[in-house]
Amino acid sequence: TAGITQAPTSQILAAGRSMTLRCTQDMRHNAMYWYRQDLGLGLRLIHYSNTAGTTGKGEVPDGYSVSRANTDDFPLTLASAVPSQTSVYFCASSDGITGQETQYFGPGTRLLVL
Amino acid sequence: GQNIDQPTEMTATEGAIVQINCTYQTSGFNGLFWYQQHAGEAPTFLSYNVLDGLEEKGRFSSFLSRSKGYSYLLLKELQMKDSASYLCAVRDSNYQLIWGAGTKLIIKP
Repeated sequence: TAGITQAPTSQILAAGRSMTLRCTQDMRHNAMYWYRQDLGLGLRLIHYSNTAGTTGKGEVPDGYSVSRANTDDFPLTLASAVPSQTSVYFCASSDGITGQETQYFGPGTRLLVL
Repeated sequence: GQNIDQPTEMTATEGAIVQINCTYQTSGFNGLFWYQQHAGEAPTFLSYNVLDGLEEKGRFSSFLSRSKGYSYLLLKELQMKDSASYLCAVRDSNYQLIWGAGTKLIIKP
C-alpha cells in the first residue's frame, strides 16, 4: 500500500542530544513537509521541500534542519534538543503545491524532550 | 498576521446535522482545505474549495465565501465514527497551508 512512513513512532530524548526523525514516501510526490502539532495550536510548518534538492523554511524552523537528497526521503534533524521541542511531528507529501493537490500525512512521531 | 479561527469543541447527536465554521485572514488565498483527524492519528483529507459555493461529497459538504473569508463544513447523518477533530487550512500567497487549531466534534448517542 502506497503511503508515508515515519520513524521512530515515539521517542524520549534528553535535552542537548541530537536526533533525526525519518520520513519516506513511495508515491513519487514532488513536495514534502514537516509539521509539528501542539495542543491548542494548529499544525505549524517547520520546513518544506518543493522538489528534490531544494528546501525552504516554514513558520517555526529554528532548532531544526532538513535535507532532500532524493524524491523519497525527507529527514528532520534536531541538532540539540530542548524541552520546547516536545511535540508530535508529522511528515506530509503532495504531488504539487498550487492546485487541488492533497497533502498526505505520515502516522507521526511523538517526541518528549526532558 | 495570518489567522484561522474555528470553534474549539462542538457536541452533536448521532443522526443529526452539524455545521463547523471557519473564518480566515491570510496573505493571499489559493484554496481552502478541510481535514479530519481522529485522536492519535494523522490528518486525512476531506474537501477542497477554491471558488465560492458548495462542494458536496456524500454526507460531507463544504462551503466557501471568499469575500467574507468564511467556510463551513457540514456533516449530515452523523455517525459515532465522525467523532474527531476537523481542521481548516488555507493555502496562502506562498502556497503554504495555514492551519486552524481544529474543532473537536463529540457525537453522543
